[in-house]
Amino acid sequence: EPEVTQTPSHQVTQMGQEVILRCVPISNHLYFYWYRQILGQKVEFLVSFYNNEISEKSEIFDDQFSVERPDGSNFTLKIRSTKLEDSAMYFCASSPMGANEQFFGPGTRLTVL
Amino acid sequence: AQSVTQPDIHITVSEGASLELRCNYSYGATPYLFWYVQSPGQGLQLLLKYFSGDTLVQGIKGFEAEFKRSQSSFNLRKPSVHWSDAAEYFCAVGPSGAGSYQLTFGKGTKLSVIP
Repeated sequence: EPEVTQTPSHQVTQMGQEVILRCVPISNHLYFYWYRQILGQKVEFLVSFYNNEISEKSEIFDDQFSVERPDGSNFTLKIRSTKLEDSAMYFCASSPMGANEQFFGPGTRLTVL
Repeated sequence: AQSVTQPDIHITVSEGASLELRCNYSYGATPYLFWYVQSPGQGLQLLLKYFSGDTLVQGIKGFEAEFKRSQSSFNLRKPSVHWSDAAEYFCAVGPSGAGSYQLTFGKGTKLSVIP
């Protein structure tokens, strides 16, 4: 069964450093998402991406964040200058259509020191 | 703005007992509703979904949920819990409006199962 994959599973970085989180969505899906879950809190929407552009973003997704689909398979989330409060589990998701179930990857745990 | 409330933070049940996890939502139109499960250190797995039609939906692992529009609820049930069901369960609602497909999650209910 096809699944969303994410790398790395755990990333440790120093405050102020740039990180790139990588995702490979399910191959025939058209919509891609990033969510995050701060430890002990609920899953929060960051951004959605369709047709090679951002279709929606939350207040969390400020200028420090960017997303890219550099080729036909990868979908990346970049945090330009990490802050302590960026420490969280980041989930990538994809869906075949917009209003449909989203399939989530296993997540990348980001730890900012 | 849409919102999801899961009033129970932590529930403990004995193996073999029945289970009901509560979910209430606030949404202006007919919502799409989802239940996801997250095992420790794992991602989110879809248990079941409701888009339209029959208000009682069946999911994987023996779970079911019932959409009740009058109560704005979408409670998750299982007649007999197994130890492997211990996990955190998240209710989610979407889409949030025309052209907006983000999911809004509740805070989750952690399920512990006593052998």
